[in-house]
Amino acid sequence: DIQMTQSPSTLSASVGDRVTLTCRASQSISSWLAWYQQKPGKVPELLIHKASSLASGVPSRFSGSGSGTEFTLTISSLQPDDFATYYCLQYSTYSWTFGQGTKVEI
Amino acid sequence: EVQLVESGGGLVQPGRSLRLSCTTSGFTFGDYAVSWVRQAPGKGLEWVTFIRSKAYGGTPEYAASVKGRFTISRDDSKSIVYLQMNSLKTEDTAVYYCTRDTLDYPFYYMDAWGKGTTVTVSS
Repeated sequence: DIQMTQSPSTLSASVGDRVTLTCRASQSISSWLAWYQQKPGKVPELLIHKASSLASGVPSRFSGSGSGTEFTLTISSLQPDDFATYYCLQYSTYSWTFGQGTKVEI
Repeated sequence: EVQLVESGGGLVQPGRSLRLSCTTSGFTFGDYAVSWVRQAPGKGLEWVTFIRSKAYGGTPEYAASVKGRFTISRDDSKSIVYLQMNSLKTEDTAVYYCTRDTLDYPFYYMDAWGKGTTVTVSS
């Protein structure tokens, strides 16, 4: 199985900061990567698919990049609503794997 | 509005069975694949199982951790997906989410999630 490793596990930031989260795959997954946001007690929500395609309704301050084994999710100006846990998902096979998550906290 | 509503969770003893349902609305169910994803208390997300649309064979995939114990099925006439869970273990304790999976040919990603149903396996 393909392993996904996110870093850092926790990120402390302030409103207005530019933040970058990283996700690494144990082998090449081309661009078959999605990002999800999960707020405490809530359901995960799709942010980005195919590494850099913004999902419908997602604010433009979110962006994704990367291919192969290294990917990033960038929030250009952190808003109060963005404090949450972010997960990457590889979908390059029919055995999906998530990263362990990055918690973005104040 | 796309909706997925899970039901059937509860407290069950180790070794027993449980069947979860995912009732959907707001989209053409037959055109989509569906997955189950679980989240143990305080932990991350784990994909459990997947079923293709009938147009792509309606065939399932399973995570190694549940293969041989869990069975996914779909009833397109009712827009429902089922998850039959047998030989339950304490490590199956989690919130189980049903997801709509969109084809990004030839692969799929989860683009809509239900609110989840809680399964607790304990004696």
